[in-house]
This record gives sequence, C-alpha cells and structure tokens, in this order.
Amino acid sequence: GQNIDQPTEMTATEGAIVQINCTYQTSGFNGLFWYQQHAGEAPTFLSYNVLDGLEEKGRFSSFLSRSKGYSYLLLKELQMKDSASYLCAVTDSNYQLIWGAGTKLIIKP
Amino acid sequence: DAEITQSPRHKITETGRQVTLACHQTWNHNNMFWYRQDLGHGLRLIHYSYGVHDTNKGEVSDGYSVSRSNTEDLPLTLESAASSQTSVYFCASSEVATNTGELFFGEGSRLTVL
Repeated sequence: GQNIDQPTEMTATEGAIVQINCTYQTSGFNGLFWYQQHAGEAPTFLSYNVLDGLEEKGRFSSFLSRSKGYSYLLLKELQMKDSASYLCAVTDSNYQLIWGAGTKLIIKP
Repeated sequence: DAEITQSPRHKITETGRQVTLACHQTWNHNNMFWYRQDLGHGLRLIHYSYGVHDTNKGEVSDGYSVSRSNTEDLPLTLESAASSQTSVYFCASSEVATNTGELFFGEGSRLTVL
C-alpha cells in the first residue's frame, strides 16, 4: 500500500530551527508538496519538490531525496505564528495525491 | 482577488437527512476537489472534477455525490447523512489536473451528524 509517515507532534523554541521529516512509500513519484495549516483554517501551499535537493524560500526550505523516499521541511528563526500543522503530500505515478496525517508544530517562547 | 468559498462553515444535522455543502471559486480553474479531514488521517479525496459535466470518484466516495454544471461551483451532497460523515470538509481547486500544481483550499465546512 501507499504510505506517508511524518511525526505526529513536535515542539520547538521561538527563534530556533526545526526540521520536520516526511518519508513516503508510493507507487511512483511525481512530486512532493508541503502545506501549512493553522488550527481551524485551510491548508496553504508552502513548497513543491520534484527534483532532488534543497529549495529555499525565505525562512522555509524543503529538501527531497527520491532515492531514499525522504523529504524534510526546515523552518528557521521560528516565530510564534509558525505554530501550525505541516502536511506532506506525494503525487504518485497515477497522478493521485497521497497525504500524510500532518505534523503539529508547537512553538514555545 | 480570486478566492474559493465554502458554505455553510458549520452545520449540525441528523442521521438520514440530505445535506449539501457549497463550493464556489473565482480562480476560473477547471479542476476542483472535495476532501474530508479527520483526526489522525491525511486529507482523503471524496470526489473531483476536471471540468463542466465531469465528475469522478475519489477514495472515500460512498454516500457522497457531486455535480458540475458550471466552472465556478462544485456542490457536495450527502444523500443520507451518517454519523461516520461527521468531519471537516475542504473544497479545493487547481490550475493543473495532474496533482503537480498548487491546490487552493476553501476555509472548510465543519459538519456534525447526530
């Protein structure tokens, strides 16, 4: 079966750096997404990786290794507003989007 | 600004009643999707549409239906609501049909079936 694994919950300190991991086992691969979802709100797009490597976008970076079935989202200079759930999703060979259950990130002052 | 809106945002209904959740987008996207989100699960696809008069079943389509009579709207109907359908429902649209582009989500509709 197809599966995406990410930690259920993580805690980090304001101003610090946190890395949220995502591993996937899917039938083929056509890209990996990260979305941010604040409590009670809609998911919003953060990043899309289709090739190996690191993509940086301000305080957020996303890394992909297709050979390892692995991605991470790196958040730098954490702010209280970064408290949210982070959703990992993979597009498989049939162009179906498979979602992880999300990682709830708690930022402490 | 283009947007995607859902209504109602909150609804409580009884088992066996028919419920319709509305979704309206002004992005002019052909591709629209309905997901449900439950604690401990990833987003699960209910139905999707690639254009007017096109509808397709997702992984959890039983008990749900959609229709697409224009580009802007994709209403989701629960024919006979069940307690297992208590969930948060998200509508989304995309410029890209192949799930290789950004999804734009509505604010969500929280449905409780008693």
